[in-house]
Amino acid sequence: EAGVTQSPTHLIKTRGQQVTLRCSPISGHTSVYWYQQALGLGLQFLLWYDEGEERNRGNFPPRFSGRQFPNYSSELNVNALELEDSALYLCASSSYLPAVRSYNEQFFGPGTRLTVL
Amino acid sequence: AQKVTQAQTEISVVEKEDVTLDCVYETRDTTYYLFWYKQPPSGELVFLIRRNSFDEQNEISGRYSWNFQKSTSSFNFTITASQVVDSAVYFCALTENTGTASKLTFGTGTRLQVTL
Repeated sequence: EAGVTQSPTHLIKTRGQQVTLRCSPISGHTSVYWYQQALGLGLQFLLWYDEGEERNRGNFPPRFSGRQFPNYSSELNVNALELEDSALYLCASSSYLPAVRSYNEQFFGPGTRLTVL
Repeated sequence: AQKVTQAQTEISVVEKEDVTLDCVYETRDTTYYLFWYKQPPSGELVFLIRRNSFDEQNEISGRYSWNFQKSTSSFNFTITASQVVDSAVYFCALTENTGTASKLTFGTGTRLQVTL
């Protein structure tokens, strides 16, 4: 079974530019999560999409946005890039378990390393 | 608000030593889930274990074991007979995992270095 995939692997942008990161969840998973891992700041929750809708959002400015497509894949868009946006962006997926009314554990992709110059 | 504290920033051990990684959490929820993830140098987070707040049974999986104590809000992880391949950053995480908020709150991680 294929795991969570992310593209691209690495990306270099300059300040002010815009970037789009992509994520494909594990087959059967309907939820996609985005996390930012910046140096010195740890792993920070960015966004959660489930069944095509944004369910929760972390403490990030509006220039961080995304969407989830009907096939459950997702995009993360970052506008007006700033130097501090340089980080590893991790995508994870999970699925809802109706029997226990909760989501199963999140499985992570390899990440996209974004460098902003 | 939820919080996870991993007080050990970095631990170095010699192969075959046992090592315990500490995790202390804070939450006001009565239903929550605790996790441990491993992040090797490649960067991908690898899921190790999930434990729900109603299950305080300790768990053993090969050389890995976990000790969950609600009374002290701790969920510690022990690696027995450590190996060089165990070298990684280990993250403890917490989620309230309700229908409306399924995000993970991570600790700052503990870097484990296992040498020969």
